[in-house]
Amino acid sequence: DGGITQSPKYLFRKEGQNVTLSCEQNLNHDAMYWYRQDPGQGLRLIYYSQIVNDFQKGDIAEGYSVSREKKESFPLTVTSAQKNPTAFYLCASSNSYSYEQYFGPGTRLTVT
Amino acid sequence: SQQGEEDPQALSIQEGENATMNCSYKTSINNLQWYRQNSGRGLVHLILIRSNEREKHSGRLRVTLDTSKKSSSLLITASRAADTASYFCARWDSNYQLIWGAGTKLIIKP
Repeated sequence: DGGITQSPKYLFRKEGQNVTLSCEQNLNHDAMYWYRQDPGQGLRLIYYSQIVNDFQKGDIAEGYSVSREKKESFPLTVTSAQKNPTAFYLCASSNSYSYEQYFGPGTRLTVT
Repeated sequence: SQQGEEDPQALSIQEGENATMNCSYKTSINNLQWYRQNSGRGLVHLILIRSNEREKHSGRLRVTLDTSKKSSSLLITASRAADTASYFCARWDSNYQLIWGAGTKLIIKP
């Protein structure tokens, strides 16, 4: 089956720890995205990557970091510098020639 | 940045009724998309309407676009319990980023 996988589904961390969220796609899409969603709100873009070894900051990149060493993988690290990391994180991908984005099932991160 | 606005924020209707959600935006667009999100899940693309289209259908979904009013609407006809979800509109900006609204939470009562 083609699609996007995110793991884990739920993640719990203590304040001050860095944590890495996984995102893998086998759709052969060039572009990948990380969004943050808070309760009752829409999506806010954290980082995106249109090609391997290149990525750009979105609206709320502070406290986050990414890498894009392989086309199919785009991990997101939530660092201890992120002031309010508890949220639902969504990864998406798209074909360069399509406007549609395909989403993973999300990771709910809780930091206490 | 969230430059799209959906209304209503929440909508509760009886199964079988039609549901209409609206989306407004501030700048010109090439196209506008609608997505559905079931509770605690990822988003699923529903339909894309281009700026030169006024109406588009997909099954029980009907989307309209009025570029003069910078608004779009999503109509779901003959609603079902499985339509219970949040619905978002999104448009691409000049930086190749999707701009999302806050969504409409739709509840279909049996």
